Amino acid sequence: GIQVEQSPPDLILQEGANSTLRCNFSDSVNNLQWFHQNPWGQLINLFYIPSGTKQNGRLSATTVATERYSLLYISSSQTTDSGVYFCAVEGPNTDKLIFGTGTRLQVFP
Amino acid sequence: NAGVTQTPKFRILKIGQSMTLQCTQDMNHNYMYWYRQDPGMGLKLIYYSVGAGITDKGEVPNGYNVSRSTTEDFPLRLELAAPSQTSVYFCASSQTGLPEAFFGQGTRLTVV
Repeated sequence: GIQVEQSPPDLILQEGANSTLRCNFSDSVNNLQWFHQNPWGQLINLFYIPSGTKQNGRLSATTVATERYSLLYISSSQTTDSGVYFCAVEGPNTDKLIFGTGTRLQVFP
Repeated sequence: NAGVTQTPKFRILKIGQSMTLQCTQDMNHNYMYWYRQDPGMGLKLIYYSVGAGITDKGEVPNGYNVSRSTTEDFPLRLELAAPSQTSVYFCASSQTGLPEAFFGQGTRLTVV
């Protein structure tokens, strides 16, 4: 099946810093989503982005489908950005939404 | 609009007991999923369904069963609980054409 790897596994930032999270996948995808899991365990959908670029406030994402990677940008980070960021993909000819390994982000004041 | 609702939120089981984790969504989504998340790890797909009456195995289906008799409900059954099934279980749903997945709050299960 499709493999999904995220980097870095852990990231520690001071408030106000910018960061880039990466998601690599091993096959073409029909569906790619970024999620944030907050410290209370709740999973929130950030972006649906199988290709192209999207922005939502301080967050933006870019997927280069031909090169099999996606990037999540967080600008001017805040303590509320802390948590784990997951990308999830759905490969061709499948309805399975498979999660990556996650990036754990800690933002300190 | 309640979204995806999971019950119970917490449960402790003894080895060998059985239980059903409930999941209901009120968004008329055709896709539903069950994941487990072990401490400090990512989410692993257990089972999924593309519509009522249709279910399929995910990455880690052993020890679990599911059914999808209605669009709204997708219960997950553990028949003989084992300590390895201690985890947080998440249910999710999405819709063809609107693939953003919505997650429930999770069920924290401990098997002792």
